[in-house]
Amino acid sequence: DAKTTQPPSMDCAEGRAANLPCNHSTISGNEYVYWYRQIHSQGPQYIIHGLKNNETNEMASLIITEDRKSSTLILPHATLRDTAVYYCITEKDSSYKLIFGSGTRLLVRP
Amino acid sequence: KAGVTQTPRYLIKTRGQQVTLSCSPISGHRSVSWYQQTPGQGLQFLFEYFSETQRNKGNFPGRFSGRQFSNSRSEMNVSTLELGDSALYLCASSEGLAGGKVDEQFFGPGTRLTVL
Repeated sequence: DAKTTQPPSMDCAEGRAANLPCNHSTISGNEYVYWYRQIHSQGPQYIIHGLKNNETNEMASLIITEDRKSSTLILPHATLRDTAVYYCITEKDSSYKLIFGSGTRLLVRP
Repeated sequence: KAGVTQTPRYLIKTRGQQVTLSCSPISGHRSVSWYQQTPGQGLQFLFEYFSETQRNKGNFPGRFSGRQFSNSRSEMNVSTLELGDSALYLCASSEGLAGGKVDEQFFGPGTRLTVL
């Protein structure tokens, strides 16, 4: 079973920031938070990961709370191409067994 | 670098038949994982191979099997197909490094299997 909880759907306006929350209250000390997304009819795509500190890359920012029980993925300027299902996953660094939950279906509106 | 490729992209089989799906990982990647995606169960992990050895296994019946070749290419086989095996089968490749470094997984486009 998935170890994370995400809202089933969200929407935001194009050009605005999209903030996707994830609850992972049972996360272990050696588990990372990963975010993947799946655009319709494609394979999932890695977005970002983090352990304790906030992280930023060219796609998104990841904010992890101090107690590590929840996190937020931020797409700073959402575009229509960001419409997808976003998955938050917690796993150890060397695990190759990703457990996907239901994810959040993000709809970016024109 | 070329991405992960999967063949065939679409497949139609009938109950009782068997099927073999193929996955070519990104050059240099030694780990290949397989996932099944259905509307009802979502994305579920099948198994992972590294250097021709199965390293991780999900909770699927023995009808689902796989193998990896010395060039890291992988195949998965489903025998005695059932209607419920209709799904998108995804493979993902990664460097397969040992602990201490996060290893991003790169997914292929998937093979859509329909069982009639």
